[in-house]
Amino acid sequence: DQQVKQNSPSLSVQEGRISILNCDYTNSMFDYFLWYKKYPAEGPTFLISISSIKDKNEDGRFTVFLNKSAKHLSLHIVPSQPGDSAVYFCAASRGSTLGRLYFGRGTQLTVWP
Amino acid sequence: ETGVTQTPRHLVMGMTNKKSLKCEQHLGHNAMYWYKQSAKKPLELMFVYSLEERVENNSVPSRFSPECPNSSHLFLHLHTLQPEDSALYLCASSQVRGHWPRNEAFFGQGTRLTVV
Repeated sequence: DQQVKQNSPSLSVQEGRISILNCDYTNSMFDYFLWYKKYPAEGPTFLISISSIKDKNEDGRFTVFLNKSAKHLSLHIVPSQPGDSAVYFCAASRGSTLGRLYFGRGTQLTVWP
Repeated sequence: ETGVTQTPRHLVMGMTNKKSLKCEQHLGHNAMYWYKQSAKKPLELMFVYSLEERVENNSVPSRFSPECPNSSHLFLHLHTLQPEDSALYLCASSQVRGHWPRNEAFFGQGTRLTVV
C-alpha cells in the first residue's frame, strides 16, 4: 500500500507562471517531508523540506506548504522557468525509521516558453 | 570527487552472472541506503546501513546481498537475478543524529541494470 501519493503524473506550465505540485500521504506518523527533483540520467537531488511543526517553508522560488489535517503538501514554484522541467518526487519520513524515505511516483513538470 | 558516486552507470548481465554495484560517498555521512526504481513505480528502499551496521532489510530477495565495509562505501552484490530485477538502482547517504533536525538524503546518479 502506497503511503505517499502523487496523483498527477504530469503538469505543463508556461514560463513565468506558478507551478503547483501536489502530494498526499496516508501515514499520520510522518513528521518530515521532502521534495526532490530528478533530471533524466541523474539521481534525485534534494530541493526543499518541511517538518511537521511548520506549515510553510520557503527557499527562493520554491515554497512548500503542509496541511497536516488533510495529510497534504504542495510545492509551489514561482516564477516557473524552463530549467525547472524535471520529475518532482515527494517523500516522507518518520522519526523512528532512521532516515528511511517513502516516495511518491513523481510528477513530470514541463515548463514551456 | 564530491557527493555520492555510483559505478557502473550501466550494467547488462545474464541471469547466471555475478556482479556488484559500488557506491561511495564523500560527504562524511553515517548512513547509506540502496533504493530501487522500477518502471512506473515509486522509489523503494531496499537496505539501510547506519554506522556500517545493517538496520533494515526491506524484504529483499537473497539474490541481492549488500555489504558496507565502512561508512563511505556500500556495495550491492548481485547473483542469479531475474529479468524483472531490471531497474535503476540508487544509492543514497545521509547524516542521522536523532530526530531533529532531519537531514535529507543525497543520491548518486544510479546504475541502470538490465538482466537478460
